Amino acid sequence: EVQLVESGGGLVQPGGSLRLSCAASGFTFSSYWMHWVRQAPGKGLVWVSRINSDGSSTSYADSVKGRFTISRDNAKNTLYLQMNSLRAEDTAVYYCARVGAMVHAFDIWGQGTMVTVSS
Amino acid sequence: SYELTQPPSVSVSPGQTASITCSGDKLGDKYACWYQQKPGQSPVLVIYQDSKRPSGIPERFSGSNSGNTATLTISGTQAMDEADYYCQAWDSGGGVFGGGTKLTVL
Repeated sequence: EVQLVESGGGLVQPGGSLRLSCAASGFTFSSYWMHWVRQAPGKGLVWVSRINSDGSSTSYADSVKGRFTISRDNAKNTLYLQMNSLRAEDTAVYYCARVGAMVHAFDIWGQGTMVTVSS
Repeated sequence: SYELTQPPSVSVSPGQTASITCSGDKLGDKYACWYQQKPGQSPVLVIYQDSKRPSGIPERFSGSNSGNTATLTISGTQAMDEADYYCQAWDSGGGVFGGGTKLTVL
């Protein structure tokens, strides 16, 4: 079964750091571009970041640029999001998502992990 | 930055046709896709490349994209189709989502 499972969310104080992980299974992880998308409580989906298949190219939304770092370990079939200098407005469910090579859309999503930034 | 605009809500009677629009500058020059999200669940891709349906998505879901507007159409809407729907396109290396439309079936 093709699956993405996020972990690492939790409660963190403003200015703190957190690292999210996304474990992939059921497909050749190293062949796909991967993304992080977040959703604040009661709000819409917002694209956060993406990384290409071999990890050599990344891109970020302006709202997280300089604070978040996306990375991957293809040997471990795992995607990461290192989040530093966290703000209250970063509070959201964070989803990892695969972009299907043929569909050029987010065809597989994880279940999401909740990040709460609060003192 | 690129923006996509959706109506906040759309209502439809069971069995009727629901249309949800997504507007963006020259959106027709890009591929649009659509996601369905039910409460407490992750989004599900229902339309990609403007009008294609992934495996397992019912035929009542269809899409179009021209000019500045992409449209998701649900024919013969069922109660199970009640959900939030998001359009999405690609711009400058990143994804862009519309604000979402809550579809109510009543």
